[in-house]
Amino acid sequence: SQTIHQWPATLVQPVGSPLSLECTVEGTSNPNLYWYRQAAGRGLQLLFYSVGIGQISSEVPQNLSASRPQDRQFILSSKKLLLSDSGFYLCAWRADRGSGYTFGSGTRLTVV
Amino acid sequence: GENVEQHPSTLSVQEGDSAVIKCTYSDSASNYFPWYKQELGKGPQLIIDIRSNVGEKKDQRIAVTLNKTAKHFSLHITETQPEDSAVYFCAAGRGNKLVFGAGTILRVKS
Repeated sequence: SQTIHQWPATLVQPVGSPLSLECTVEGTSNPNLYWYRQAAGRGLQLLFYSVGIGQISSEVPQNLSASRPQDRQFILSSKKLLLSDSGFYLCAWRADRGSGYTFGSGTRLTVV
Repeated sequence: GENVEQHPSTLSVQEGDSAVIKCTYSDSASNYFPWYKQELGKGPQLIIDIRSNVGEKKDQRIAVTLNKTAKHFSLHITETQPEDSAVYFCAAGRGNKLVFGAGTILRVKS
């Protein structure tokens, strides 16, 4: 069966520090991968999605970036965090356009 | 692009009553409409979905209806239980992306 792993679960980082969040999917190949951010426990904002290795689409221009170095690995990064980057970051995957998303357990990021 | 509006933002019901959450979407080309349940501190979980070639789908106490002409879809939960308390999100999309509603906080009072 397919599983999605996301880590770390919680992270406290100072303003100006770098960020790296990792997401991996097991049990499938060539998944569509997504990074979402959720502020204040409500709406889900799509940040990046990828349909294949090295293919990244950005939905919201900001100081975050994403990379997909391997088929089932999706990384969210920042060179310098801002206070406004605080939030709940969720990775998700889907097998194809006709299937639903499966979300990871999320990373609670607090920038101090 | 797609825009999804979700109502109400908060819903309180008595245990055993029904709950209805409604969403409207803007892009008539959207063809996939999932609903997610999110419990505190966890990622959203898919609870039911419907495609544009179907008008209604039911899974035990949960049902979803879709009106393509009016571009709205609804989640119906019958015989609500305390464990149904959570945040519920609708979404609409086609192709590679889904656009989510702002969420509904459902509280089931026992």
